[in-house]
Amino acid sequence: AQSVTQPDIHITVSEGASLELRCNYSYGATPYLFWYVQSPGQGLQLLLKYFSGDTLVQGIKGFEAEFKRSQSSFNLRKPSVHWSDAAEYFCAVGASSNTGKLIFGQGTTLQVKP
Amino acid sequence: DAGVTQSPTHLIKTRGQQVTLRCSPKSGHDTVSWYQQALGQGPQFIFQYYEEEERQRGNFPDRFSGHQFPNYSSELNVNALLLGDSALYLCASSKARGETQYFGPGTRLLVL
Repeated sequence: AQSVTQPDIHITVSEGASLELRCNYSYGATPYLFWYVQSPGQGLQLLLKYFSGDTLVQGIKGFEAEFKRSQSSFNLRKPSVHWSDAAEYFCAVGASSNTGKLIFGQGTTLQVKP
Repeated sequence: DAGVTQSPTHLIKTRGQQVTLRCSPKSGHDTVSWYQQALGQGPQFIFQYYEEEERQRGNFPDRFSGHQFPNYSSELNVNALLLGDSALYLCASSKARGETQYFGPGTRLLVL
């Protein structure tokens, strides 16, 4: 069965420090992979996506993610966190075939210390 | 260019009632998907509409139904509301099935 695991429910980092949020997926075929961010009470904003090609993808707000097929991972990184990055982050997997169902992880809440 | 819009933003209902939530997709998008996000959880896929038909469905009971109109907007209907239906309901649109989904701000439903 398809699934997404975000092992860290809550992460706290200091402003200016680097960040890595983990995502592991289980999927039988080539997946489409996404990271979304959700601020309190808001909808989801797309940070970045991986469909094919270069395994290191760049997104908005200085985020990047690396697809590692051998580890079934798609970890999100940012070299220097800003206080405005505090939010909930969701990793999602979608079928590479012609369907639109996204399967989401449970999310990681990021807290940024001043 | 307006993004995905949803109405209403908040809604309070009582058990057993019925509710209708509305979604207008992003300009140029023809596919609408609906998700339920319970508190502290990731979104769960309810169903997807394309060409006015339900194309794929998640693990939700028949109490959840939908509709897509010729202008690509969509409605989500939930009958016989249960307390457990309290959640944020998110609509997402895409240019086609399988393309990147863009989400609206959601409708917060509280069932008392």
